[in-house]
Amino acid sequence: EVQLVESGGGLVQPGGSLRLSCAASGFTFSKYDMHWVRQATGKGLEWVSGIGRAGDTYYAGSVKGRFTISRENAKNSLYLQMHSLTAGDTAVYYCATGLDGWDSWGQGTLITVSS
Amino acid sequence: QSVLTQPPSASGTPGQRVTISCSGSSSNVGRKNVYWYQQFSGTAPKVLINRNDQRPSGVPDRFSGSKSGTSASLAISGLRSDDEADYYCAVWDDSLSGWVFGGGTKLTVL
Repeated sequence: EVQLVESGGGLVQPGGSLRLSCAASGFTFSKYDMHWVRQATGKGLEWVSGIGRAGDTYYAGSVKGRFTISRENAKNSLYLQMHSLTAGDTAVYYCATGLDGWDSWGQGTLITVSS
Repeated sequence: QSVLTQPPSASGTPGQRVTISCSGSSSNVGRKNVYWYQQFSGTAPKVLINRNDQRPSGVPDRFSGSKSGTSASLAISGLRSDDEADYYCAVWDDSLSGWVFGGGTKLTVL
């Protein structure tokens, strides 16, 4: 069974940093593109970042230069390093994957940016 | 303001057919595959339609997708009360070099 489990969320002050992790199991992690998608309370889905099987990375304009996505295939893990956080980054962050559409999602981890 | 435009809401009565539109541009919908996701309140999204019109295994054939030019649509026939959810279209945008979601459509079954 495919499983994605995010961790690392919490309360952080504006300007602070946080690192999210996504532990994957039940599939050959190295063969899948991986993505981070976020959702602010009461708002729609927003794609944040993606990383290909070859390690190529992509970012939404709203996070480019502040967030870094990475993966560690040996540990079946996906990461999102976030810097210079603002209130606008407050959201539930999901990791997601799939060979075509994203048919596997984690439960999400909440990040709250507030003083 | 999302790159992809969806109506914020849609509604129908049980048994009816409803459609949800997703309007984009030549850099996204016009040249790339569109995906549709269903999200119930408080849960992670679920993919409903792959590559414009392909239903993943397990998705009822009441759900169908189509695309023409720079617009795509999700149709739900035989509407049921448990179809009440938020629906999102998503597509890769070549100009942005990233994925974009529509703003989402909240479906209400009256």
